[in-house]
Amino acid sequence: GENVEQHPSTLSVQEGDSAVIKCTYSDSASNYFPWYKQELGKRPQLIIDIRSNVGEKKDQRIAVTLNKTAKHFSLHITETQPEDSAVYFCAASRVGGYNKLIFGAGTRLAVHP
Amino acid sequence: DAGVIQSPRHEVTEMGQEVTLRCKPISGHDYLFWYRQTMMRGLELLIYFNNNVPIDDSGMPEDRFSAKMPNASFSTLKIQPSEPRDSAVYFCASSLGWSGTGFYEQYFGPGTRLTVT
Repeated sequence: GENVEQHPSTLSVQEGDSAVIKCTYSDSASNYFPWYKQELGKRPQLIIDIRSNVGEKKDQRIAVTLNKTAKHFSLHITETQPEDSAVYFCAASRVGGYNKLIFGAGTRLAVHP
Repeated sequence: DAGVIQSPRHEVTEMGQEVTLRCKPISGHDYLFWYRQTMMRGLELLIYFNNNVPIDDSGMPEDRFSAKMPNASFSTLKIQPSEPRDSAVYFCASSLGWSGTGFYEQYFGPGTRLTVT
């Protein structure tokens, strides 16, 4: 079955710096890759997603890149702010997978003022 | 819409007791997912339903866990008997299905924090 590995497990940056979180997946049939943000004590919420027919997607300070050949995708946050501090989860899913998401282990991002 | 609703928000129980967690998905969503989150194991998918039918329960840890979805607006996750290692946050999520052009977002409920002593 699908396996998603996520790195790093923790990331500490200064406000204004960029943060990059990387994930690799094992199932070459996976074609949907969402990213969820979970603030302390809150529920996971979708922040951005990418489908396999594109290589990059941006939404303001957040971008996701996908390399299907290498089977990895990354989340990029620019100009980080303290409110970006949270746990970020990547996930993968595939057509025929009944919308089943396989999540990575999560990255705890701390943005220091 | 009120979003995905879960109850109770917190549950403290003694080992050996039965625990029932409840979930009301977003109206119109035909997929419902139960997840468990712990520090050690992260976010694990336990079971999910499509149109009230269980599709994949391979994530259910053992026979002590069971889940039902009697109708489109209600699901339960039951643990009987409960054990201290079941302590975790249990999330319910719902979504529309795959549309043919892409996937739909999974919306998570607020979670139930379960503590088994």
